[in-house]
Amino acid sequence: DQQVKQNSPSLSVQEGRISILNCDYTNSMFDYFLWYKKYPAEGPTFLISISSIKDKNEDGRFTVFLNKSAKHLSLHIVPSQPGDSAVYFCAASAVGGTYKYIFGTGTRLKVLA
Amino acid sequence: GAGVSQSPSNKVTEKGKDVELRCDPISGHTALYWYRQRLGQGLEFLIYFQGNSAPDKSGLPSDRFSAERTGESVSTLTIQRTQQEDSAVYLCASSADRVPSYEQYFGPGTRLTVT
Repeated sequence: DQQVKQNSPSLSVQEGRISILNCDYTNSMFDYFLWYKKYPAEGPTFLISISSIKDKNEDGRFTVFLNKSAKHLSLHIVPSQPGDSAVYFCAASAVGGTYKYIFGTGTRLKVLA
Repeated sequence: GAGVSQSPSNKVTEKGKDVELRCDPISGHTALYWYRQRLGQGLEFLIYFQGNSAPDKSGLPSDRFSAERTGESVSTLTIQRTQQEDSAVYLCASSADRVPSYEQYFGPGTRLTVT
């Protein structure tokens, strides 16, 4: 039972263009969401988060959008850079209940120079 | 400052043998997590330690898996009588806060291969 889904295993984008990574969840109790980036042979690194009281959070080139009614969030990277090539994981948690994050399976982003 | 470190980085073992994986969290972080990532899968929660509280072991897949943590320092994850389905990358993370742990800092992982 995959509560957090990243349906696109991979994505290729031209340098300078927008990258959009999608994540869907099924548990309506989730109210805090994270995005992590992972390079090969390294652990995931925290990228950006969003609480369910917001529908958008922006940090530099990275913006996360949350659509609670659709149980969908997306990460936008603008402009995309070759160094952004990595695997991106979304994760969800019910802040008021559990400290356990449920992670998606990841999307491998390749930014082409 | 030093990040989360894990050892060994790679471990190849024969089916049926026991293995021990080590995690050194960031100094001062009270919370420590173990995750497993199988090929093509997301990160699977295994166990959570918070200070001196009883650990949450609800994610451990079987009684062959156990973990210990001494105070707020090193943790070891032990897998007894390893099986081929235990092959995965085992990731450790630590965080400074209790609940919610907004930002977990991950180690590089230990890649376990059971032959």
